[in-house]
Amino acid sequence: DQQVKQNSPSLSVQEGRISILNCDYTNSMFDYFLWYKKYPAEGPTFLISISSIKDKNEDGRFTVFLNKSAKHLSLHIVPSQPGDSAVYFCAASVYNTDKLIFGTGTRLQVFP
Amino acid sequence: DVKVTQSSRYLVKRTGEKVFLECVQDMDHENMFWYRQDPGLGLRLIYFSYDVKMKEKGDIPEGYSVSREKKERFSLILESASTNQTSMYLCASHREGGQQYFGPGTRLTVT
Repeated sequence: DQQVKQNSPSLSVQEGRISILNCDYTNSMFDYFLWYKKYPAEGPTFLISISSIKDKNEDGRFTVFLNKSAKHLSLHIVPSQPGDSAVYFCAASVYNTDKLIFGTGTRLQVFP
Repeated sequence: DVKVTQSSRYLVKRTGEKVFLECVQDMDHENMFWYRQDPGLGLRLIYFSYDVKMKEKGDIPEGYSVSREKKERFSLILESASTNQTSMYLCASHREGGQQYFGPGTRLTVT
């Protein structure tokens, strides 16, 4: 039973445009949500996070939105750059533990 | 800068072999994790450890064991490797309230 879902395995976006990556979750016992970025042959690196009590967090070109009623979060990248091409994983932190539940990942390709 | 290192980037083993994957972190983090990453399945937690000599099963512990004798080192052991354990293995460390930092991964092939 996948508690964190990324329904789009891949996304292709033109350079300079907005990339929107989506993530749905089924469990309400998550206190933080995070996005990680992964290049081939490297480990995931932390990108941005949001507390479950907030609905938006912004860091430069990256913004994460949380819609608790819909159990949905999204990562917006504006403007998209070719260096953003990677696999993006959303993850949810289980309340009162240090465990993360990861989604299946979305491969983003930014083309010129 | 936090550094998490894994002993091998690529490993090829035969079915039935005992396999050791080593992970070392240099930030004095209490928590350490082992995941495997497979296409279409994302990262799945195998085992984690909150402290030296402490371990807890993750979501897919079958066929694996772990060892944490020192705070900075967390080992994943495949007691008898099987072909369905061919995967990318990722180690992470974490301090309470912070993010998880990942190593570069070990791509294990079991033939």
